[in-house]
Amino acid sequence: EAQVTQNPRYLITVTGKKLTVTCSQNMNHEYMSWYRQDPGLGLRQIYYSMNVEVTDKGDVPEGYKVSRKEKRNFPLILESPSPNQTSLYFCASRTARNSYEQYFGPGTRLTVT
Amino acid sequence: RKEVEQDPGPFNVPEGATVAFNCTYSNSASQSFFWYRQDCRKEPKLLMSVYSSGNEDGRFTAQLNRASQYISLLIRDSKLSDSATYLCVVRGGADGLTFGKGTHLIIQP
Repeated sequence: EAQVTQNPRYLITVTGKKLTVTCSQNMNHEYMSWYRQDPGLGLRQIYYSMNVEVTDKGDVPEGYKVSRKEKRNFPLILESPSPNQTSLYFCASRTARNSYEQYFGPGTRLTVT
Repeated sequence: RKEVEQDPGPFNVPEGATVAFNCTYSNSASQSFFWYRQDCRKEPKLLMSVYSSGNEDGRFTAQLNRASQYISLLIRDSKLSDSATYLCVVRGGADGLTFGKGTHLIIQP
């Protein structure tokens, strides 16, 4: 089954404790990205990657890191999480940047206390 | 002016009614438009593309008005299962896809 997976689905952590949210897709997509979704603010892009070893900042990159060592994986790293990073996070992939059908992962609900 | 604007709602509509909502976009050069659907606490999924001539998929009709720079989504004979947030998406921008914040639709029995 073609899908984007994320782990964990739910995470409660404390300020400053480094965490990684994994993202993997099995569709051989070149383009992957991370979004956060907050009430009233919609989806905001954090980082995107056009291909292996190519990553770039989205609209709200501060406090986040990503890597793209393999085509299928695109982990999101929070080196020192803060309460304002409490949010619903989505990983997404599509064939290429100019593709229109984007596949989203199921989401990771993160709470930072 | 924001790139893609939607009325956030919520729109409360009785089951069986017809409901329509719009989305305006700022870039007159935009060529491609889409509607995504997001169920509560779930991921967004592509609902349908919006073609220049308008297109229909069952109870759903999408239309484009280039002169006024808006797209619309019409749902006929609404079902309880149509309750969701509908995201307007325009091809373009740094990411290649620009998402609106969504319109929240609640179908009531």
